[in-house]
Amino acid sequence: DAKTTQPPSMDCAEGRAANLPCNHSTISGNEYVYWYRQIHSQGPQYIIHGLKNNETNEMASLIITEDRKSSTLILPHATLRDTAVYYCIVISYNTDKLIFGTGTRLQVFP
Amino acid sequence: DTAVSQTPKYLVTQMGNDKSIKCEQNLGHDTMYWYKQDSKKFLKIMFSYNNKELIINETVPNRFSPKSPDKAHLNLHINSLELGDSAVYFCASSQELTTRTDTQYFGPGTRLTVL
Repeated sequence: DAKTTQPPSMDCAEGRAANLPCNHSTISGNEYVYWYRQIHSQGPQYIIHGLKNNETNEMASLIITEDRKSSTLILPHATLRDTAVYYCIVISYNTDKLIFGTGTRLQVFP
Repeated sequence: DTAVSQTPKYLVTQMGNDKSIKCEQNLGHDTMYWYKQDSKKFLKIMFSYNNKELIINETVPNRFSPKSPDKAHLNLHINSLELGDSAVYFCASSQELTTRTDTQYFGPGTRLTVL
């Protein structure tokens, strides 16, 4: 049911940038790209979202390709506490379906 | 301050029992949700309530019934529990339902195990 495709796992060295890709080739014009993460045994945590422009906040940056068929979440300086499963989801303005796929398990190592 | 809280955190019960999971949010949001996360880590929306009105009811069995005494609470009641109900259930809230750009805040989850 998920409309996004993500690699199942990635590793990143502490202090380096973590770049998490997401494919959403069937995204439609009124759908936003959202990123959440889930640290073990906790609820999903909102990170960032965007429509077509690149976005940046205190947690991360979101780069969306011009055709909007893919995006990349960037954690500029990964820490051990960033180890989590990261979910990329698309949310339609008109429908209220919100389905998380299997996400990418990011492991940050010292 | 806990924004979205759920109780209990863990729930182990026998098949056929009836159980409830409670959720409370202190964010002043108008909309609350229940999600089910299965063993494959898929997180799917089950219900949402906006100003005490059921907005979404995904195709979940009618053994599941959300109950909202006020807009700060959305409890999930489950009748005749089955093995397949074992999952982690998350409560969430957002300011509005009408704009999907709204951020949802999640609770810590309740791990339900049906034996």
